[in-house]
Amino acid sequence: DAGVIQSPRHEVTEMGQEVTLRCKPISGHNSLFWYRQTMMRGLELLIYFNNNVPIDDSGMPEDRFSAKMPNASFSTLKIQPSEPRDSAVYFCASSWFERGSYEQYFGPGTRLTVT
Amino acid sequence: GENVEQHPSTLSVQEGDSAVIKCTYSDSASNYFPWYKQELGKGPQLIIDIRSNVGEKKDQRIAVTLNKTAKHFSLHITETQPEDSAVYFCAASLNSGGYQKVTFGTGTKLQVIP
Repeated sequence: DAGVIQSPRHEVTEMGQEVTLRCKPISGHNSLFWYRQTMMRGLELLIYFNNNVPIDDSGMPEDRFSAKMPNASFSTLKIQPSEPRDSAVYFCASSWFERGSYEQYFGPGTRLTVT
Repeated sequence: GENVEQHPSTLSVQEGDSAVIKCTYSDSASNYFPWYKQELGKGPQLIIDIRSNVGEKKDQRIAVTLNKTAKHFSLHITETQPEDSAVYFCAASLNSGGYQKVTFGTGTKLQVIP
C-alpha cells in the first residue's frame, strides 16, 4: 500500500487567497483525521470523519476552515481566506478502528506558508 | 478535555545510553496511550502503544510503562542508536462520541550522539 497520500507537499500563498489541501487515505480505512502542527501548539486535531461523515469538528479554528470527504478515498481541507497565522504543517491520518486497532497512519504532511 | 504534558522537550544522549521520556495526562477515562516517532519532513509513525489494562509493554529496545493511579506513562529506549534521533510524541486517547480521540503531548526532540 502507498500509505496516506497528501498533496501538495508545499504550498506558499498570499494572505486572502483560498487554499485547498488534499488527502487520499489508505484503502479500506474508514476513519480520517486532519491535524495541524505548529511549534507553539503542537499537533492539534482539526476534524474527524468516520465513513465519510464528519463526527467531530470541534477543533476547526473558525469558519474560514472547512473540510469535506465526498467518498472513502478522498478528503479536502479548505482555508478561505487564508491568513499568515494559518502557516503550519497540515497532516491527514487514517485508521480502521473497528478492527480493534487504534493506530493512526499519518501522511507526509503539507507545509503551508501564508505571506 | 484531555491535557497531556510531556518532558523533557529536548534530550541528548550518547549512543548506547538509555533515553526516558515522561508524560502525564489529566482525564482518568483515557484508555489508550500511543507513542509516535516523527522524523524530519515526515508524518508521525506509531512505534509502540499500551492500553489501560496493561502496566508495561516491551518491543525490542523500546518499552512503555503506565501508572494509571498517578496518570503517568513513560517511554524507555535502551541502547540508543543514531537512527533513534527524532521527535517523539506521547498521546492519550479516550472514547469520545464513539471514536478514540487522541490528544498529543508537545513532543521531545531526541538527539543520539555517535
